[in-house]
Order: sequence, then C-alpha cells, then structure tokens
Amino acid sequence: DQQVKQNSPSLSVQEGRISILNCDYTNSMFDYFLWYKKYPAEGPTFLISISSIKDKNEDGRFTVFLNKSAKHLSLHIVPSQPGDSAVYFCAASAGAGNMLTFGGGTRLMVKP
Amino acid sequence: EPEVTQTPSHQVTQMGQEVILRCVPISNHLYFYWYRQILGQKVEFLVSFYNNEISEKSEIFDDQFSVERPDGSNFTLKIRSTKLEDSAMYFCASSVSRQETQYFGPGTRLLVL
Repeated sequence: DQQVKQNSPSLSVQEGRISILNCDYTNSMFDYFLWYKKYPAEGPTFLISISSIKDKNEDGRFTVFLNKSAKHLSLHIVPSQPGDSAVYFCAASAGAGNMLTFGGGTRLMVKP
Repeated sequence: EPEVTQTPSHQVTQMGQEVILRCVPISNHLYFYWYRQILGQKVEFLVSFYNNEISEKSEIFDDQFSVERPDGSNFTLKIRSTKLEDSAMYFCASSVSRQETQYFGPGTRLLVL
C-alpha cells in the first residue's frame, strides 16, 4: 500500500536553516492531511494539518503546503532547531472515513 | 494538556495467549482508534470506534481482534490468540469528532514469543 509516500528516509539540516519535508499521495479522495512528529519509544505527536480546501497552513515555525494538482504536500520548518530532530510522518484521510493512512516517515536531523 | 494514556508500556507474551491493551482517551473525545507499527514498517490503521461500535476496520483487524469500551474512560484492544507477527507497537488515538485531529498515546510495545 503506497497511497502515501515519503521518498526521503532522512534529511540533515544545519540549525537555523530551513527544513523541507516532502510527501506524495496517490488517492484523490484524500481531503485532510496531517504531519506528526515521533521520537523513539513515543507515540506520534500532532504538528499541523491542512484541509484540501486550502493550499497553505502556518503555525509558528511550521508551515504546510498542499499542491492538489501534484498530489504533493510539504512541511517547512524555519528556523530548524536541534529539538526538531525526530521522525516526521505525513498522514492523510478521506472524507468518507476517518482512518489515517501514513507515509513511511522521514528522519530529520538538525545539527547544532 | 490532556493526553491519551496507554498501559502497559511493554508486554511480552507467549504465542497463542490472549492480551489486552488498554487506553484512556482524552476525556471529551468521542472517536477512538487503534493503530500498530511493526518494526521498520509504516504505522497502520486497525480500527475506529464510535458510539460503542466499530465504525471502520482494516483487513488487519480480523476475528482475532476485538475492541471494547468497558466503562466511561477505558478503551481496550484484545488479541485473542497472539501470533508472532502481532509483535508491534500498538498506538491508541482519539479525536473530538470525525475529521478532527487524532491524538496518539505513547504506545504499547507487544512482543510475542
């Protein structure tokens, strides 16, 4: 099941720079997208979400962009901080149901 | 800030044994979920639960699995006869309503020997 894909398994960024995490999806029924952050041995922590009626949502250092025609979303973190180092998952759901379909995750490492 | 809690944090069991994983969702949430993550794989949806009944389930959620809300606070996942391949992290989540953000608990690591 590859409905949600995160093609970069890891990303390394210098502290203070921008981190850009990408996610692609194939199911055109998805209309709600979320980003979660996960530390080892913990559950996913909600970061930010976006509905398909929008193309951008911003919350502090985190901005999610949605390109519906390309079926692509991205998470921008600026400025990146060492505490942002974690695995980031994108997830999507379709209007008819509320199950989340997750991508495989991207491990972000922010170097001091 | 309200959190989803899960117990136990770790469980080791023998193949064929029954296990019950427990979750306390956030108190004003009405939708409850179980997900699992097998080591090295994606987080996978198992089941969603609303108004004391299953609202959606995946093909993983076969007859060996059941969910229950035995009282006003707990939400449980039972695996009747565990298999080796049930070894995974099991995450409980809850949301205020359908299409609202799902908040996850810390997980229960289940190891089936």
